[in-house]
Amino acid sequence: DSGVTQTPKHLITATGQRVTLRCSPRSGDLSVYWYQQSLDQGLQFLIQYYNGEERAKGNILERFSAQQFPDLHSELNLSSLELGDSALYFCASSVEGGMYTYEQYFGPGTRLTVT
Amino acid sequence: DAKTTQPPSMDCAEGRAANLPCNHSTISGNEYVYWYRQIHSQGPQYIIHGLKNNETNEMASLIITEDRKSSTLILPHATLRDTAVYYCIGGGGSNYKLTFGKGTLLTVNP
Repeated sequence: DSGVTQTPKHLITATGQRVTLRCSPRSGDLSVYWYQQSLDQGLQFLIQYYNGEERAKGNILERFSAQQFPDLHSELNLSSLELGDSALYFCASSVEGGMYTYEQYFGPGTRLTVT
Repeated sequence: DAKTTQPPSMDCAEGRAANLPCNHSTISGNEYVYWYRQIHSQGPQYIIHGLKNNETNEMASLIITEDRKSSTLILPHATLRDTAVYYCIGGGGSNYKLTFGKGTLLTVNP
């Protein structure tokens, strides 16, 4: 158990819909990262937040957005869903998100299926 | 980000040492070498990281060559539960994100 929790575990929804994935980092971790893992793309970094502020952006689509709240939990919002958005979404947390990349601890993931 | 190259798959007998190689010839001076593993659709698990010196923890040892162009992850006594995809990643410095490649599928056989 990494100490990172993600809800829900599974999500099935239809194309065009909007969903919210939730992540609670390890106690004391200030940084939250979101990754997408699909069969053809592998693990792709989406976005990072550090203590409530966006710190780094990866291959995140404009239809996707995220935020980190004052209690440090984070939400990833996916809208206008397409079939290709079906994937595992992982959240990870680390102690810091400053100059150096510290080891990241991953949650169990949310499996999103878009039908 | 440093580009890393790993063999797509390896086999290891249970109880023997598993040595997983990684080439990272483009790694810059302030980038660390990280190793993670992923057991069948679970969240990736941090194993170890290093900059220049060899490192050891309760899970594994990391041997980095002097020129830092390659490294080897060593699982000293592999068990069936070590069957997983192992990712070698160059990162850190001014890069906050981890760039995962395809990794090595290590299969530990009884």
